[in-house]
Amino acid sequence: RKEVEQDPGPFNVPEGATVAFNCTYSNSASQSFFWYRQDCRKEPKLLMSVYSSGNEDGRFTAQLNRASQYISLLIRDSKLSDSATYLCVVNGGAGGGNKLTFGTGTQLKVEL
Amino acid sequence: GAGVSQSPRYKVAKRGQDVALRCDPISGHVSLFWYQQALGQGPEFLTYFQNEAQLDKSGLPSDRFFAERPEGSVSTLKIQRTQQEDSAVYLCASSYFSASTNNEQFFGPGTRLTVL
Repeated sequence: RKEVEQDPGPFNVPEGATVAFNCTYSNSASQSFFWYRQDCRKEPKLLMSVYSSGNEDGRFTAQLNRASQYISLLIRDSKLSDSATYLCVVNGGAGGGNKLTFGTGTQLKVEL
Repeated sequence: GAGVSQSPRYKVAKRGQDVALRCDPISGHVSLFWYQQALGQGPEFLTYFQNEAQLDKSGLPSDRFFAERPEGSVSTLKIQRTQQEDSAVYLCASSYFSASTNNEQFFGPGTRLTVL
């Protein structure tokens, strides 16, 4: 079983739609949680950190449920430019330390 | 300011050749990481440096893989006797603080290695 599991998609949605991605992680000792965005043939870039209290950045809302070991990302009013792969990431997981453990990514395609 | 840079951006090697991949982290960043990303997968951790010390090399897939950061800045990932399964994008990332797990890691553009 992978340490971080995501539905690979693709999610094909019309512009303006709301889309939600979910992720589960296996190591209860994980300390920090993130969503990264990766455009095709580009490097991953931090989208946002994820906190138990939930956090919002414009159209993006992230939520962490430590009890269920579950992380979510909600994108409202999706734009064509949101098309990318969204990577669920944990830090301080198995083996500890600062290494990031990535899910396989969920591909989002926003269409006209 | 300048981000993380990597060279070469693309490398084609014949099976059995040795390759060396270079990473220039953001100036002043203490921590440096190498990740391997296979097609259709998320990046997977290879190794981690804090300054010149290699603190974690648990992700290196075999003893053919070797990384160094002798002066605590530039790092080189070397792969000896390359195999086809080594074909992947090799990503380097750096971050400023060493102790916290919540520090953003900044990624370079990666080196796409193809082994024929």
